[in-house]
Amino acid sequence: GQQVMQIPQYQHVQEGEDFTTYCNSSTTLSNIQWYKQRPGGHPVFLIQLVKSGEVKKQKRLTFQFGEAKKNSSLHITATQTTDVGTYFCAGFGNQFYFGTGTSLTVIP
Amino acid sequence: NAGVMQNPRHLVRRRGQEARLRCSPMKGHSHVYWYRQLPEEGLKFMVYLQKENIIDESGMPKERFSAEFPKEGPSILRIQQVVRGDSAAYFCASSGAYEQYFGPGTRLTVT
Repeated sequence: GQQVMQIPQYQHVQEGEDFTTYCNSSTTLSNIQWYKQRPGGHPVFLIQLVKSGEVKKQKRLTFQFGEAKKNSSLHITATQTTDVGTYFCAGFGNQFYFGTGTSLTVIP
Repeated sequence: NAGVMQNPRHLVRRRGQEARLRCSPMKGHSHVYWYRQLPEEGLKFMVYLQKENIIDESGMPKERFSAEFPKEGPSILRIQQVVRGDSAAYFCASSGAYEQYFGPGTRLTVT
């Protein structure tokens, strides 16, 4: 079956350092979404990417969708303690497949 | 505009009992998704429903689990004869255009 994997599973960074999480699908996706889940909370939608090679920015967050529409990345510049949480990608094939998530810890 | 509502937020059941989890989607949304999340793990898709229809239940265990989304009222995820392995957070989400809006989840503990 379709799988969506994310790496790394955990990442600890010093406040101010950059952070990147990578999302890889075993099959081509029609679109990809990113969500953030704070500890003890629920996933919150961040963004959707649809086009091959698409790049979108939200302040310090940069999202990319690969040319083959099988991978995606989320890059955070100059992390802050408010960035703490687990970041999930979700690829849409015939249903939503959530990635395994990357848990980000920011050390003040 | 109320968001996605789930109740109860916490549910404790003994092995063999039934668990009923409720989800009210955002106003105007007619698509509901249920996910299960084990501690320290990602979200696992269970079922996708529209009003009075199950669209995709490929993620649902074949036995003991069922879901419905009636014409009136909330969507219900029902787990019969719960076992310890059913302990998890169960999230529902509703969607309008494309993004999913998640509820706060129901934390089920089976003792």
